[in-house]
Amino acid sequence: SSELTQDPAVSVALGQTVRITCQGDSLRSYYGSWYQQKPGQAPLLVIFGKNSRPSGIPDRFSGSSSGNTVSLTITGAQAEDEADYYCNSRDSRGPYVVFGGGTKLTVL
Amino acid sequence: QVQLQQWGAGLLKPSETLSLTCAVYGGSFNGYYWSWIRQPPGKGLEWIGEVNHSGSTNYNASLKSRVTVSADTSKNQFSLKLSSVTVADTAVYYCARGFQVEYFDSSGYYYDGWGQGTPVTVSS
Repeated sequence: SSELTQDPAVSVALGQTVRITCQGDSLRSYYGSWYQQKPGQAPLLVIFGKNSRPSGIPDRFSGSSSGNTVSLTITGAQAEDEADYYCNSRDSRGPYVVFGGGTKLTVL
Repeated sequence: QVQLQQWGAGLLKPSETLSLTCAVYGGSFNGYYWSWIRQPPGKGLEWIGEVNHSGSTNYNASLKSRVTVSADTSKNQFSLKLSSVTVADTAVYYCARGFQVEYFDSSGYYYDGWGQGTPVTVSS
């Protein structure tokens, strides 16, 4: 079972703001990262570290962290943002890596 | 921009050994964690293991007895071997480049490059 917990599904109206959260003890020690995955594609890094975006990721994607929770916020969600989103970090229990179970985002 | 290209057998019988290789283009091999991650059909991502440029490895505890990840720095390639496969090992397997960044107050870890994925089916 995943040591990072995500809500299985979230929906947002087109153009509105949505927050996807990820909880786990490891997040007290490590900043989480976020990946977007569309059907049939490899995951794509969208947020890493404190709140950094790789080149090419729109600035409507942002990240935040508090205690054992990291959040991905999409401000002004677009139809193309509909995807699965996964969080990830090092595992504070040892030299391992953990992923959240994923959140399916639907843009209405 | 790093590119990862992976290949290997996509159809295996139970008890066989899965073998995949990932080639790294456009970036240094040093300073990163070269990782394998899999995704069973309709499910989430599962970390398998990693190797760094010096050959140090870490493995998912649930797979450790069956997994070997190794690197060939002369070719900028790294490989995955998973022995004694069962139908439960059916998944899309990805190679990825992991990086750990240090901040004054914490650390971060992320994958900034992924292979295209290799579907692997285990069936008798």
